[in-house]
Amino acid sequence: ESVLTQSPGTLSLSPGERATLSCRASQSVSSSYLAWYQQKPGQAPRLLIYGASRRATGIPDRFGGSGSGTDFTLTISRLEPEDFAVYYCQQYGSTGLTFGGGTKVEIK
Amino acid sequence: QLQLQESGPGLVKPSETLSLTCTVSGGSISSNNYYWGWIRQPPGKGLEWIGSIYYSGSTHYNPSLKSRVTISLDTSKNQFSLKVSSVTAADTAVYYCARLRILEWRNLDPWGQGTLVTVSS
Repeated sequence: ESVLTQSPGTLSLSPGERATLSCRASQSVSSSYLAWYQQKPGQAPRLLIYGASRRATGIPDRFGGSGSGTDFTLTISRLEPEDFAVYYCQQYGSTGLTFGGGTKVEIK
Repeated sequence: QLQLQESGPGLVKPSETLSLTCTVSGGSISSNNYYWGWIRQPPGKGLEWIGSIYYSGSTHYNPSLKSRVTISLDTSKNQFSLKVSSVTAADTAVYYCARLRILEWRNLDPWGQGTLVTVSS
């Protein structure tokens, strides 16, 4: 089972700045099976990125995903006020789905 | 537009069985491109996948919960259900249902709004 480690735990940034979130897997993950979600307080997670780099329907192009193997990155090019939230990566492996512990992007 | 809605008791006593149902609207649960899954989130913590079911009845469970979890479905009602037996306070969480894409990709979309289940006497 591949364990996903997200870093940093918290990212303090200002609107307009660039955010770079990391997701590292303990074993190689198929890029097709790597996704990112955004979760705001009191809401269900929302799919942002699937297949490591493909934006889900309706997701703005300021959100980008990249990476392969064991290292994946979610980039938000210019933070908008509505982007401050918790972000989770997810992979699908031999024992099913696993999630990273999350990165909170907070307003500095 | 596909929508999912969880329903069930919000309070369960320790050692009893937690039971939830997810009703799917705007689409059929009998699709060969998707599994249907349950995920939970303890208060203030991260996400944990519980398990998933295919329209044929085939299931996959999180190994850490497998001994206590049963997922089933009712295609006539377009619903799938979750049972967790012998619950403890550690099972207190918001429980989400979601559609799991299995054709080419693996991701959960859309999600239900979630329902809080508290385990307490």
